[in-house]
Amino acid sequence: GAGVSQSPSNKVTEKGKDVELRCDPISGHTALYWYRQSLGQGLEFLIYFQGNSAPDKSGLPSDRFSAERTGGSVSTLTIQRTQQEDSAVYLCASSFGGGAGETQYFGPGTRLLVL
Amino acid sequence: EDKVVQSPLSLVVHEGDTVTLNCSYEVTNFRSLLWYKQEKKAPTFLFMLTSSGIEKKSGRLSSILDKKELFSILNITATQTGDSAIYLCAVVGDSWGKLQFGAGTQVVVTP
Repeated sequence: GAGVSQSPSNKVTEKGKDVELRCDPISGHTALYWYRQSLGQGLEFLIYFQGNSAPDKSGLPSDRFSAERTGGSVSTLTIQRTQQEDSAVYLCASSFGGGAGETQYFGPGTRLLVL
Repeated sequence: EDKVVQSPLSLVVHEGDTVTLNCSYEVTNFRSLLWYKQEKKAPTFLFMLTSSGIEKKSGRLSSILDKKELFSILNITATQTGDSAIYLCAVVGDSWGKLQFGAGTQVVVTP
């Protein structure tokens, strides 16, 4: 596609429910990243995929958070038993390769609100 | 512990003014520094800097990196209201896939 797309654009859920956020990277990009932006804060790294494997998942805040990527393309970030502190904008980015010289291009994000 | 600090946190300028945004960093095994502009949701890429002293320019925006003093600046000349945004600085260190972001600088340009 022309750019990184994410769905849904907004999600409101009740505390304790599970949510799934989807990211479609730019066609041909092998690396995919998830970040989180809480109100008034900078972007916080969550996890990075190179192909279907995740060399760095150090930013996942707890074991309620997981992500997978299949077919080297679409990725899903799952949050189980959501808590109010999970409310944030979840941003996905992709890059052609996974190296330090590769520019990451961001999607529009999913705004998650946990009531 | 790695850190990226941006200053100022926010500023308000009049159209036509020049602004200078600062980003200082401490990161293990520095590889690159990136600047992004965030207006609504998706940060949009501005510059990637890897070498000291080489200015990158795009229209009214320019940026330079000092790897000895561990900082970068982003300049915007002849500001326009469309420059109003949050400007984010990020660095790449040991984990090649991981951008470490500063808190951002909110720029408001008034007519």
